[in-house]
Amino acid sequence: QVQLQESGPGLVKPSETLSLTCTVSGSSISSDNYWGWIRQPPGKGLEWIGSIYHSGSTFYNPSLKSRVTVSLDTSKNQFSLKLSSVTAADTAVYFCSREMAGTTIWDWGQGTLVTVSS
Amino acid sequence: DIQMTQSPSSLSASVGDRVTITCRASQSIRSHLNWYQQKPGKAPNLLIFAASSLQSGVPSRFSGSGSGTDFTLTISSLQPEDFATYYCQQSHSTPPTFGGGTKVEIK
Repeated sequence: QVQLQESGPGLVKPSETLSLTCTVSGSSISSDNYWGWIRQPPGKGLEWIGSIYHSGSTFYNPSLKSRVTVSLDTSKNQFSLKLSSVTAADTAVYFCSREMAGTTIWDWGQGTLVTVSS
Repeated sequence: DIQMTQSPSSLSASVGDRVTITCRASQSIRSHLNWYQQKPGKAPNLLIFAASSLQSGVPSRFSGSGSGTDFTLTISSLQPEDFATYYCQQSHSTPPTFGGGTKVEIK
């Protein structure tokens, strides 16, 4: 059973960089999977942010690509999200995920609320 | 991006009812369609993948069908634990995109 757990600041100031980490247990992030991030603004729908393959290849939503970086830390079995130049529109619950069979979201973290406010 | 349109956006139903939710893609996605269930305050949970394959551990009252642009999620006999929001998602092309959700409420 793969488990994912997000961690990071719950409050970020406008124009700063949002940074989150996902700790994976029950699977090695070096295994043949994609590891990704999805967000959900309060009361709204789901938006795929991007993902990273175990090889390090990254795939980003074009709508966010200029601001997003997803990276792996194999020594800690973690992967991370950085979203730069945030605004209030980036306020959302951020989920980390494991993708299989293309971009089918097989496993989800519990989610963490990040609020962008001064 | 491929646009995913779900209908209805909400519905009221009673325990035991048969419920059908539809999802339409803006272009053909073959069978690359997944369904998720989300309860308040929780992460979504994969129910159906590849349009009609039931995820392990998901009750058999859930079923999916369709291909191309039109898809359906059916709950054959609604149970109290099924009251939730349901999302479709295409995994045909990047970026994967989700429908707007269907909230299933108690009548």
